[in-house]
Amino acid sequence: QKEVEQDPGPLSVPEGAIVSLNCTYSNSAFQYFMWYRQYSRKGPELLMYTYSSGNKEDGRFTAQVDKSSKYISLFIRDSQPSDSATYLCAMSGGDSNYQLIWGAGTKLIIKP
Amino acid sequence: SQTIHQWPATLVQPVGSPLSLECTVEGTSNPNLYWYRQAAGRGLQLLFYSVGIGQISSEVPQNLSASRPQDRQFILSSKKLLLSDSGFYLCAWRPGNTEAFFGQGTRLTVV
Repeated sequence: QKEVEQDPGPLSVPEGAIVSLNCTYSNSAFQYFMWYRQYSRKGPELLMYTYSSGNKEDGRFTAQVDKSSKYISLFIRDSQPSDSATYLCAMSGGDSNYQLIWGAGTKLIIKP
Repeated sequence: SQTIHQWPATLVQPVGSPLSLECTVEGTSNPNLYWYRQAAGRGLQLLFYSVGIGQISSEVPQNLSASRPQDRQFILSSKKLLLSDSGFYLCAWRPGNTEAFFGQGTRLTVV
């Protein structure tokens, strides 16, 4: 079993829809949780960073961490075609403090 | 503000040739530095990381090596490239043990 599981998709939704992206993990020591957006042939761009449990909102993006369920989510409201990209989750903590443990990434397609 | 530079953006090299990819970070000191490789449609594979000058940790045994000659400089090298070394190489830095920031990547094609 991988430490971080993420559905690779692709996930295709119409413009304006609410998008939900998720990752599950197995290491209860993880404390730092991140979401990245990666456009084709570009480096990943940090979208959201959360420490421990709870919600964090930034514009149309909301990150949620549920440590009891070992589950993190990224919500995108009013999705736009420019949101079409691959979204990667990453986390660290405990023995993995020097490393980030990555999900495989979910390819998101927003249809105009 | 901090910035990370990675070059070149694209590289085509023949099998058996050497490789040197360079990454530099500006606006910070003593960053944790990382080299990743990403296969098409796949996640990130950690190759090397460094927590200080001359300190390199290797995660995957392969045809590559890394060096950190200066605090904010990280170099990925190979003496003889293999076809299997083709991929998208990413350099990243972290201020501590929190979020990472990436360069724009180098697309390497070994022919």
